[in-house]
Amino acid sequence: GQQLNQSPQSMFIQEGEDVSMNCTSSSIFNTWLWYKQDPGEGPVLLIALYKAGELTSNGRLTAQFGITRKDSFLNISASIPSDVGIYFCAGLESGGGADGLTFGKGTHLIIQP
Amino acid sequence: KAGVTQTPRYLIKTRGQQVTLSCSPISGHRSVSWYQQTPGQGLQFLFEYFSETQRNKGNFPGRFSGRQFSNSRSEMNVSTLELGDSALYLCASSLALSRYSEKLFFGSGTQLSVL
Repeated sequence: GQQLNQSPQSMFIQEGEDVSMNCTSSSIFNTWLWYKQDPGEGPVLLIALYKAGELTSNGRLTAQFGITRKDSFLNISASIPSDVGIYFCAGLESGGGADGLTFGKGTHLIIQP
Repeated sequence: KAGVTQTPRYLIKTRGQQVTLSCSPISGHRSVSWYQQTPGQGLQFLFEYFSETQRNKGNFPGRFSGRQFSNSRSEMNVSTLELGDSALYLCASSLALSRYSEKLFFGSGTQLSVL
């Protein structure tokens, strides 16, 4: 099935720093979603993107749908302790995605005091 | 508005047993999808149900099955459990306005441990 390459796998940052992560695919996607998962909980939807080049913000979070439709980026500005968690990208292929959403392996965000 | 509810939160079973997990979607959502999450494989799609019919299926063996009821609630069953079935099983619901559900809202999951 389709694979999404999400990077970095983990990030160790200081509180107040900005964070950037991305996802790339080998095929074209028509939907990109970004989720955050806290320990012991299910993923929570942060941002949904539906159009190439689209830039969408949700508070300190900003995500972009890549122009090639094969990648997406998530930025977090001025990180705070509650940003700790695992961030997943997910995409739906342009062909419809009979296998449902494809998820990246996640980026573990760790904030050092 | 209540979120997606999954029961039970934790389960411990032994090899060879079977297990049934339950999911109640967000009110008004007609699609329910199931995912398996493990540290090694990440989130993997099991299947999706819409209007009591399975309309998409992932690459899992036939031991994994599910169903959806007329009130959109869904159950997932795993028979003849194996050690490798230990995972967090996540249910997600969606309005499913299009053929393939995209904007998924997840429950907290059922953590299954197979001994």
